[in-house]
Amino acid sequence: NAGVTQTPKFQVLKTGQSMTLQCAQDMNHNSMYWYRQDPGMGLRLIYYSASEGTTDKGEVPNGYNVSRLNKREFSLRLESAAPSQTSVYFCAISDQGEYTEAFFGQGTRLTVV
Amino acid sequence: SQKIEQNSEALNIQEGKTATLTCNYTNYSPAYLQWYRQDPGRGPVFLLLIRENEKEKRKERLKVTFDTTLKQSLFHITASQPADSATYLCALGQGGKLIFGQGTELSVKP
Repeated sequence: NAGVTQTPKFQVLKTGQSMTLQCAQDMNHNSMYWYRQDPGMGLRLIYYSASEGTTDKGEVPNGYNVSRLNKREFSLRLESAAPSQTSVYFCAISDQGEYTEAFFGQGTRLTVV
Repeated sequence: SQKIEQNSEALNIQEGKTATLTCNYTNYSPAYLQWYRQDPGRGPVFLLLIRENEKEKRKERLKVTFDTTLKQSLFHITASQPADSATYLCALGQGGKLIFGQGTELSVKP
């Protein structure tokens, strides 16, 4: 079992280009999340999906869109990349309900030049 | 405004000592609090969860306390080892979301 798989692992974009970060899970968990991590800032929530068919904004949603394609997959799209979106992006999953731990993917390191 | 703050400075300790990391929060009412470990280039890995009605939780050499009056959690690693060197993140659970602090880097010297 891979748990949470993110693709790609690394990406360099030019300002204004678009791309989609993919996240897939094989743990049958309901909730999926996208975070970004910047030095000294910790993990900041971009968007999350409590279940298939629902998505909600987190702390820093501007410049991003998401799609919960099915229970397994949750994608993050940058329509017009900006240098401020240079970051490491993590997808996470958790089971529904309170008191559940989150499982993280290995991250996508994105550089926008 | 809502804030989660962890020790801002890196923590350097000697092998065998107890490491104590702090997580303070303001303007949150979390149902629970979690601690994660993150190694360079990797995603965070879950360590412990403590609920709002629990004062203390232990797992092997790890101990977490949760004081909802002080709005603070302490994370202790006893008999620390160089392999414990990593960044440790606290996270609050509220409304189905996990909100993270910025992390504290721990370095254990032999």
